[in-house]
Amino acid sequence: GEKVEQHESTLSVREGDSAVINCTYTDTASSYFPWYKQEAGKGLHFVIDIRSNVDRKQSQRLIVLLDKKAKRFSLHITATQPEDSAIYFCAASPSSGQKLVFGQGTILKVYL
Amino acid sequence: DTTVKQNPRYKLARVGKPVNLICSQTMNHDTMYWYQKKPNQAPKLLLFYYDKILNREADTFEKFQSSRPNNSFCSLYIGSAGLEYSAMYLCASSRFWGFNQDTQYFGPGTRLLVL
Repeated sequence: GEKVEQHESTLSVREGDSAVINCTYTDTASSYFPWYKQEAGKGLHFVIDIRSNVDRKQSQRLIVLLDKKAKRFSLHITATQPEDSAIYFCAASPSSGQKLVFGQGTILKVYL
Repeated sequence: DTTVKQNPRYKLARVGKPVNLICSQTMNHDTMYWYQKKPNQAPKLLLFYYDKILNREADTFEKFQSSRPNNSFCSLYIGSAGLEYSAMYLCASSRFWGFNQDTQYFGPGTRLLVL
């Protein structure tokens, strides 16, 4: 079945710099790739997604890139702020059904 | 409003005892999901309901039960809790079920500790 690997377990960036979190997946037929943010003591909060019919999507300071050939997708957070500090999860929706397979999460720390 | 609610937020259970977790949403979403999340691990899908149809993952088929008495509510039931069930349980819902995956909205989770 689908496997999603999140490459950075921890990422520290200075406020104002960009952060990039990378994920790879195994199921060629996966077509939907959301990202979630989890702040301390809270559930997963949807932040942005991308579908396989496009290779780039932007929402304010968030950019998602999708490389279907490499089976890789990434989240770019530009002009980071302290409130961006959280755990970020990538996920993929495999061809086998309506479910999400998650990566293990990246702890993002934005320092002053 | 994309709020998914879960009760209780924290649950302490004894080994061998049953556990029942509750989730609700008022968005009239067709599909509701339950995930298990352990520290430093990815959230793992346990089961989901599309309308009244329950779909359980093969590797957790016998460990978890669920019911959905109406569109808004969904429960997760553990008949006999073991230490390995200690985890965060996340409920989510999405607008519809179909070929094009829709956004899943998550609740705050229930932290279950089995002693």
